[in-house]
Amino acid sequence: DQQVKQNSPSLSVQEGRISILNCDYTNSMFDYFLWYKKYPAEGPTFLISISSIKDKNEDGRFTVFLNKSAKHLSLHIVPSQPGDSAVYFCAASGGTNAGKSTFGDGTTLTVKP
Amino acid sequence: NAGVTQTPKFRILKIGQSMTLQCAQDMNHNYMYWYRQDPGMGLKLIYYSVGAGITDKGEVPNGYNVSRSTTEYFPLRLELAAPSQTSVYFCASSPGREETQYFGPGTRLLVL
Repeated sequence: DQQVKQNSPSLSVQEGRISILNCDYTNSMFDYFLWYKKYPAEGPTFLISISSIKDKNEDGRFTVFLNKSAKHLSLHIVPSQPGDSAVYFCAASGGTNAGKSTFGDGTTLTVKP
Repeated sequence: NAGVTQTPKFRILKIGQSMTLQCAQDMNHNYMYWYRQDPGMGLKLIYYSVGAGITDKGEVPNGYNVSRSTTEYFPLRLELAAPSQTSVYFCASSPGREETQYFGPGTRLLVL
């Protein structure tokens, strides 16, 4: 049973527009969520995180929204830039998984100039 | 700071061979992790460590072993390589329990 799901394997947007990446989770004990970005042939790098006590966290062009009742989070990138083209992973931890992140399968974002 | 370093970058193994994937971090992080990423999939946790001398299994530990004798190093051992272990392996470290993980560049392993 996959506890963290990213249902869209890929997303394509035009430069300057908004990119919205979605993530759903099933474990109600998860209380800390992160987004990582990965370029080909590199390791993932941290992008932004959110604790379950918040419903929004913003860092520059990146905003993460958390809807605990729906067990859903989303990453908004505004405005999208071609350099944002990468694979984005959602990760969650908490409860018996505290200190260990469970990752989704990733969404490949392509931003077209 | 070099961050998290991994060696080798790429390796081809024959079935039944063994090898050790090396991982080192210079950030004095307590937590260290090993993941594997299969094509089109997310990262699956193999083993992790919360400090020197302490290791525990993750989601997919079968066929692997780890040790953590110091804070800096966290090697991953494959004893009898199998084709199913063909993957990209990432090592990561974190300063604490609910904190950002810092990843190495990965080791690509091909078992034939």
